Amino acid sequence: DVVLTQTPPTLLATIGQSVSISCRSSQSLLHSNGNTYLNWLLQRTGQSPQPLIYLVSKLESGVPNRFSGSGSGTDFTLKISGVEAEDLGVYYCMQFTHSLTFGSGTKLEIK
Amino acid sequence: EVQLVESGGGLVQPGRSLKLSCAASGFTFSNYGMHWIRQAPTKGLEWVASISPSGGSTYYRDSVKGRFTISRDNAKSTLYLQMDSLRSEDTATYYCATNYFDYWGQGVMVTVSS
Repeated sequence: DVVLTQTPPTLLATIGQSVSISCRSSQSLLHSNGNTYLNWLLQRTGQSPQPLIYLVSKLESGVPNRFSGSGSGTDFTLKISGVEAEDLGVYYCMQFTHSLTFGSGTKLEIK
Repeated sequence: EVQLVESGGGLVQPGRSLKLSCAASGFTFSNYGMHWIRQAPTKGLEWVASISPSGGSTYYRDSVKGRFTISRDNAKSTLYLQMDSLRSEDTATYYCATNYFDYWGQGVMVTVSS
């Protein structure tokens, strides 16, 4: 199975600070069809996961543009440019190039 | 508006069965593959099973193969997960999600305990 390693496990940020979360895959996520099926999700406490980004860098409808995704192959990054209070929760990367696996999550806390 | 509404969860004894449902609306259900994902208490997300739009192809994680069956009724726009021989380690909130994970249900809790 593809293993996704997310770092850091916990992130403490102040409002307005920019932060990044890393997601590294144990193998390339480039599919034979040319797509890279790497998504980012946010799960707020007590809620179901909310999709943020798909295909590495495409923003889901309604997601603020302070969120951005980048990367290729095995290394991917989610960046939040100017954290807001509503951004707290656990962020997961997930891939479905090779079956389907999730990262272990990064908990974003607000100072 | 796309909606996915899970139901059928509850408390069940080890070795017993439970069937989850996921009622879909707001999109053409029969055109999309669907997934079940679960989350054990205080843990991360874990893929359980997937099904093709027609229902002709199904996929399972190893730990549920032979015990869980994913199915769908396109006429009713409903996804199912039949869970047999339940174990304590199956205790989790179960979510249904659309093909590209752009929509998720609110989740349903399954507790396996004597």
